Amino acid sequence: GAVVSQHPSWVICKSGTSVKIECRSLDFQATTMFWYRQFPKQSLMLMATSNEGSKATYEQGVEKDKFLINHASLTLSTLTVTSAHPEDSSFYICSARADYSNQPQHFGDGTRLSIL
Amino acid sequence: LAKTTQPISMDSYEGQEVNITCSHNNIATNDYITWYQQFPSQGPRFIIQGYKTKVTNEVASLFIPADRKSSTLSLPRVSLSDTAVYYCLVGPSGGYQKVTFGTGTKLQVIP
Repeated sequence: GAVVSQHPSWVICKSGTSVKIECRSLDFQATTMFWYRQFPKQSLMLMATSNEGSKATYEQGVEKDKFLINHASLTLSTLTVTSAHPEDSSFYICSARADYSNQPQHFGDGTRLSIL
Repeated sequence: LAKTTQPISMDSYEGQEVNITCSHNNIATNDYITWYQQFPSQGPRFIIQGYKTKVTNEVASLFIPADRKSSTLSLPRVSLSDTAVYYCLVGPSGGYQKVTFGTGTKLQVIP
């Protein structure tokens, strides 16, 4: 149980392209999902908290117009990197936590984004 | 949010027991302690979670002293495949509340 699926796992695209990443909780409902970014040999950095039916909460320094988050249902959140540039290249990871208490976050396998 | 401190790296020989300690002096009453394992280019994988005393599952044990200001992840008889980064997270469990990642501990298992 507690599987989080993230797609795609790898994207290469040209500068200026917008890229959408999907995060799905396969066997549980998650009112809240989280999006992280990880640079090589560094820890995960929280970008935003995605809330079903409401606006995402962004961490300080994260551009909300650059990283659009939509949490359309209790099992799906999407992150769209708009007009991506090489500096947006990174490893993006989502997580989801079941709505009931005492449950840990479960993570997707990440999306490697490379902008040429 | 509770801040965590872990050793940056550790080495261990195959077959040995490994103990990784995490310090979290400002842990709150409703905070849980959760450990994750991460391999390169993969998302973190849940290992174990606890609130107090000792928790054991099929892969690890978690020891939490009475003051809860630290915790120790114990991996029995490690193998080469246990080489990974291990993260200790402290925060409320469940719901919307966020937790933040510390630096993690890079465990290198040596043949």
